[in-house]
Amino acid sequence: KQEVTQIPAALSVPEGENLVLNCSFTDSAIYNLQWFRQDPGKGLTSLLLIQSSQREQTSGRLNASLDKSSGRSTLYIAASQPGDSATYLCAVRFGWAAGNKLTFGGGTRVLVKP
Amino acid sequence: GAVVSQHPSWVICKSGTSVKIECRSLDFQATTMFWYRQFPKQSLMLMATSNEGSKATYEQGVEKDKFLINHASLTLSTLTVTSAHPEDSSFYICSARTVKAGANVLTFGAGSRLTVL
Repeated sequence: KQEVTQIPAALSVPEGENLVLNCSFTDSAIYNLQWFRQDPGKGLTSLLLIQSSQREQTSGRLNASLDKSSGRSTLYIAASQPGDSATYLCAVRFGWAAGNKLTFGGGTRVLVKP
Repeated sequence: GAVVSQHPSWVICKSGTSVKIECRSLDFQATTMFWYRQFPKQSLMLMATSNEGSKATYEQGVEKDKFLINHASLTLSTLTVTSAHPEDSSFYICSARTVKAGANVLTFGAGSRLTVL
């Protein structure tokens, strides 16, 4: 069964500290992996998309790495700010045959304290 | 950029009634739309894949007669929760697929929160 897991489920850090969010998946034959941000009661905002052939993607303070062999991706957020408080979701597309179906992890709720 | 609009953003209904949620791609045509459900403090679970002009493909465990999906045009898909019960209370999110520069792009709506009394 193809599963995506995010640990921890919740994380609280003081402002300025770097955030490290983990995502693991059971099948290394992925097509791509995507990180999303979700604010309470809101939809999803795509942060970074990593294709299976890539090892990392960067956007501003965000950096996501991908290690298919170990089935892991890590999202780094540098110099966290209170505005970074949200739930971060990792989603995997398992192979081309899966179409655009995304399998989501349970998310990590992040609180950045001023 | 691609925008997906969901309506209503929240709805409260009585048990036994039916509720329709709309998902519209505002500035692009979406041949495929996806419907997800999210229970409190849980992640999104794919319910069904909706292709324009054809029947939706439902995920295992999702009742197709209860969650009616219609994708009548390239810009609109609707999800109707029939005979809603309190356990159907959830956050429903749609996403629409388009192709940009040869790559598939998914754009998510803001979600619709359903509360069944």
